Amino acid sequence: DVQLVESGGGLVQPGGSLRLSCATSGFDFSSYGMNWVRQAPGKGLEWISYINSHPFTTMLYADSVKGRFTISRDNAESSLYLHMNSLRDEDTAVYFCARGSMARGLISYWGQGTLVSVFS
Amino acid sequence: ENVLTQSPGTLSLSPGERATLSCRASQTISNNFLAWHQHKPGQAPRLLIYGASTRATGIPDRFSGSGSGTDFTLTITRLEPEDFAVYYCQQYGSSPYTFGQGTKLETK
Repeated sequence: DVQLVESGGGLVQPGGSLRLSCATSGFDFSSYGMNWVRQAPGKGLEWISYINSHPFTTMLYADSVKGRFTISRDNAESSLYLHMNSLRDEDTAVYFCARGSMARGLISYWGQGTLVSVFS
Repeated sequence: ENVLTQSPGTLSLSPGERATLSCRASQTISNNFLAWHQHKPGQAPRLLIYGASTRATGIPDRFSGSGSGTDFTLTITRLEPEDFAVYYCQQYGSSPYTFGQGTKLETK
């Protein structure tokens, strides 16, 4: 079975940094693009970032996080990461790791999410 | 950015009834790259439909998708108790890969 398990969420002050991780199993991680999607409290889903499979030439970001967040991956560890800097109150959300599919941007499997809370 | 608008915001129906959910895009979605996801509180979302009308693996045939261009529909025939959830459309034709704001399907 495809499994995506996020970790690294927590409480952080505005301006702070955090790194989220997503451990995967049950599929050939190196063959799939990967995404991060978030959901702020009481709000809908917001796609925030995508990274393609080898050789990592494509990384895409929503305007809301561009320049502050960096997506990366480690194929040897079957893991996806999201490096978050200059965090703001509005970054408070549950962050989901999501596996891509044959079409860039199509999400075929989701993790259960990890909560990031930004407050002073 | 391609803005997706879903309607209605909330749909109140009973098990056994038919649900029709709408998703309208502000721009034509290339290749009809439109997906529908189901999300229950505290759970991982689940892909239902991709390419506007293709059911994902393991999705029951009471779920169907239709539409093209800017107007898309998710239909659930004969609602089951486990179908009550929030449904999101998502376009993956162009970055940023936007979601609609969701339709909450609740028990009447």
